Amino acid sequence: NAGVTQTPKFQVLKTGQSMTLQCAQDMNHEYMSWYRQDPGMGLRLIHYSVGAGITDQGEVPNGYNVSRSTTEDFPLRLLSAAPSQTSVYFCASGQWGTQYFGPGTRLTVL
Amino acid sequence: AQKVTQAQTEISVVEKEDVTLDCVYETRDTTYYLFWYKQPPSGELVFLIRRNSFDEQNEISGRYSWNFQKSTSSFNFTITASQVVDSAVYFCALSEARDKIIFGKGTRLHILP
Repeated sequence: NAGVTQTPKFQVLKTGQSMTLQCAQDMNHEYMSWYRQDPGMGLRLIHYSVGAGITDQGEVPNGYNVSRSTTEDFPLRLLSAAPSQTSVYFCASGQWGTQYFGPGTRLTVL
Repeated sequence: AQKVTQAQTEISVVEKEDVTLDCVYETRDTTYYLFWYKQPPSGELVFLIRRNSFDEQNEISGRYSWNFQKSTSSFNFTITASQVVDSAVYFCALSEARDKIIFGKGTRLHILP
C-alpha cells in the first residue's frame, strides 16, 4: 500500500517555465488537497477536491491550476513559475477530515 | 471564515518537563473537526488526533493529552515527560466544510537533553 505519492521530490525551474507536480493515492479517498509550506507561514491550502470532477480554491490559489479526472490522481500545475512559488508542496488525501500527506516536493524557482 | 491561531512560535524545554502547545480557533459552524499534526525534522507530516465539535472529552494517548474547550475555542496539546524525540513542529488544524482543512502556522518545539 503506497499511500500518497508525489513526484518529483525536488525540482528547479526558471522563472516563466511551467510544470506539473504529480500526486496519486491508492486509498480510494474522495478528498485530496494541495498545500504549500513556507518558513513561518505554516501550511497554506492551495486547491482541494472532494471527488473526481470537483475542485475548489483554497487560501492561496493564484498561479496554480488543478484538475481531478480520476479518484486516484490530483496534479498541480504551475503555468508560469515565479520566484514567489519557491516552497515545499504537500499533497494530501483523506476521508472524514483526517488527511494523510505525501512526502512533499521541494520546488525552487530561479 | 475559519481561522487557527498558534501563538507560540517556538518553545524550548528541558527533557522530562511537561509542555503545552496552545491552539485557538475561530469558526461560525456548529459542526467542525479539530486536528493536531506533527512534523519531525525529517519533514513528513504525521496525523496525531482528530476531535469533532460534539465531543469535548479530553483525550490521553500515552504521554500525549488534548484539552478541547468550546467555551474558549481552544484545543491545547500537552506532552508529559517530554523526550528529545518529541522535538518537531506541531500544527493545529480546523475543518468546517466537508474535509477542507485549514492549518495554523505551527509551533516549533525543542526538547533539550
